[in-house]
Amino acid sequence: QKEVEQNSGPLSVPEGAIASLNCTYSDRVSQSFFWYRQYSGKSPELIMSIYSNGDKEDGRFTAQLNKASQYVSLLIRDSQPSDSATYLCAVNRGNMLTFGGGTRLMVKP
Amino acid sequence: NAGVMQNPRHLVRRRGQEARLRCSPMKGHSHVYWYRQLPEEGLKFMVYLQKENIIDESGMPKERFSAEFPKEGPSILRIQQVVRGDSAAYFCASSPPMTVGAGEQYFGPGTRLTVT
Repeated sequence: QKEVEQNSGPLSVPEGAIASLNCTYSDRVSQSFFWYRQYSGKSPELIMSIYSNGDKEDGRFTAQLNKASQYVSLLIRDSQPSDSATYLCAVNRGNMLTFGGGTRLMVKP
Repeated sequence: NAGVMQNPRHLVRRRGQEARLRCSPMKGHSHVYWYRQLPEEGLKFMVYLQKENIIDESGMPKERFSAEFPKEGPSILRIQQVVRGDSAAYFCASSPPMTVGAGEQYFGPGTRLTVT
């Protein structure tokens, strides 16, 4: 079992819709969870961090964490074509991060 | 307020040569991480350093690869006797000191290494 698992996609949503990205992790003692966005040929960009169970909202983005189910998700409201990218879930292992393989999101105009 | 800086952005080396990749962390950040991303693959952790200390190098290949973060100057990832399989994007990230768990890591623009 991979430490951090994501569906590779592509996930295709129409412009204006909600995109839902999911991630599961295997280490029950993980405490820090992050979502990164990576455009093709570019470096990962941190978009959300979450440390407690529940929801955390920042603009059009909402991160959700359920430690009992070992599940993290990212919702993108009012999706825009500029949101088309690969989204990486990262979970801490001690002081370090383990990344999932990423989900490719395509937002169609 | 400069972000994480890496240089060079692109590096071409012939097989057998040495590659040196440099990373300067964000101001106030004392933790540096190196990752490798092969084409169409995910980010793989290589090494975690603090000033003058290698904290975890569990992701580093056992041979030809080394990393340092001296008291003065940037962190350096060194690859000796490069082979074609070393062709990849190498990213550096930095984070502030943290007490519990992992801090937010901010990535540099990366160095694209091509071995011919």
